[in-house]
Amino acid sequence: KNEVEQSPQNLTAQEGEFITINCSYSVGISALHWLQQHPGGGIVSLFMLSSGKKKHGRLIATINIQEKHSSLHITASHPRDSAVYICAVRSLGGSNYKLTFGKGTLLTVNP
Amino acid sequence: GAVVSQHPSRVICKSGTSVKIECRSLDFQATTMFWYRQFPKQSLMLMATSNEGSKATYEQGVEKDKFLINHASLTLSTLTVTSAHPEDSSFYICSASSGLDGYTFGSGTRLTVV
Repeated sequence: KNEVEQSPQNLTAQEGEFITINCSYSVGISALHWLQQHPGGGIVSLFMLSSGKKKHGRLIATINIQEKHSSLHITASHPRDSAVYICAVRSLGGSNYKLTFGKGTLLTVNP
Repeated sequence: GAVVSQHPSRVICKSGTSVKIECRSLDFQATTMFWYRQFPKQSLMLMATSNEGSKATYEQGVEKDKFLINHASLTLSTLTVTSAHPEDSSFYICSASSGLDGYTFGSGTRLTVV
């Protein structure tokens, strides 16, 4: 079993829909990251969370440390949101700031 | 915000030759640089971690003599794929950390070995 599990693996939505991507992890962490990877391959860091909730534009990320679970929400989705969304965690006591990645969620937003 | 410039974005090379990929942190000091490899539809696989001025730490199964990493300064790290073979064709991406839990990723390099 992977230390970081994401669901769903694939998600197709219509423009305007509310999107939720989930991430569960099995280890104690110091931080959780949500990343966005576009078809060209480049990766953008969206959020870094250690507790609570963060919001940036139409994106919201939440984390429940006790339940070892995080969600990424996209409100009023748009075709330009189509990308792979990756959850990554840095384990407690982990050396050298090494991240463990989920397998990613491929989001396709249709116009 | 923090930017990591990765070059080249695409490279095609002949089997047996070497290819160098460069990552520069443009506006911060990258104390640690991570090098990843990604196969199609797979997640990122950490190859090695390097700290400025010291030898890289390679993950199990990654050949250090094949994937040479140099992190000579706080703003530059390079990955050289030596004697490349078609099976080395992949997407390589770097990530820099300044040690404050923030990570900045390069834009990636798609390597094709023919």
